[in-house]
Amino acid sequence: DAGITQSPRYKITETGRQVTLMCHQTWSHSYMFWYRQDLGHGLRLIYYSAAADITDKGEVPDGYVVSRSKTENFPLTLESATRSQTSVYFCASSVSGAAETQYFGPGTRLLVL
Amino acid sequence: QKEVEQNSGPLSVPEGAIASLNCTYSDRVSQSFFWYRQYSGKSPELIMSIYSNGDKEDGRFTAQLNKASQYVSLLIRDSQPSDSATYLCAVDSGYSTLTFGKGTMLLVSP
Repeated sequence: DAGITQSPRYKITETGRQVTLMCHQTWSHSYMFWYRQDLGHGLRLIYYSAAADITDKGEVPDGYVVSRSKTENFPLTLESATRSQTSVYFCASSVSGAAETQYFGPGTRLLVL
Repeated sequence: QKEVEQNSGPLSVPEGAIASLNCTYSDRVSQSFFWYRQYSGKSPELIMSIYSNGDKEDGRFTAQLNKASQYVSLLIRDSQPSDSATYLCAVDSGYSTLTFGKGTMLLVSP
């Protein structure tokens, strides 16, 4: 049971480049989430999705784009990476709502030079 | 802005002691409360959820909720060095999302 996976696990890119982080879950959970985690800020919600083709902004959405064409995939794109987007990114999912247990992927460490 | 506050720590306890982790939240309408454990370099994993006032026990872990005081805590009995991690409190914010505290680092010394 793979659960929730993220790729790549580590990524180094340069300022201005487009980067896509992938998230895939095998549980058929309705909800999926993207968080970033930074020292001093904790986990902050970027975007979330209640179902395929339904997405909504979280606390820090600027500079990010998401899509969800299939229930199991929820990619996060940084359209033009900035140094401030250097962070650890976690994807998570929950069965049918955000006020439920969220299950986290292993994370992607992104460094923007 | 919904807020969830935790003491950043580190909270240091000797092996075998009780560790007490605390969390306060700002939104009176919050109904769902979670404790996650995060080891260094790893992703958060759920320890406990609690929805009603009072205590909820699971093995060595006890979650306590007091909605009137907007306070939720996690007690870890017989603390082990393997419990050393950062503990995140999460509270539902009523808009299909959770708000996470910044976490409390727990260090259990042998």
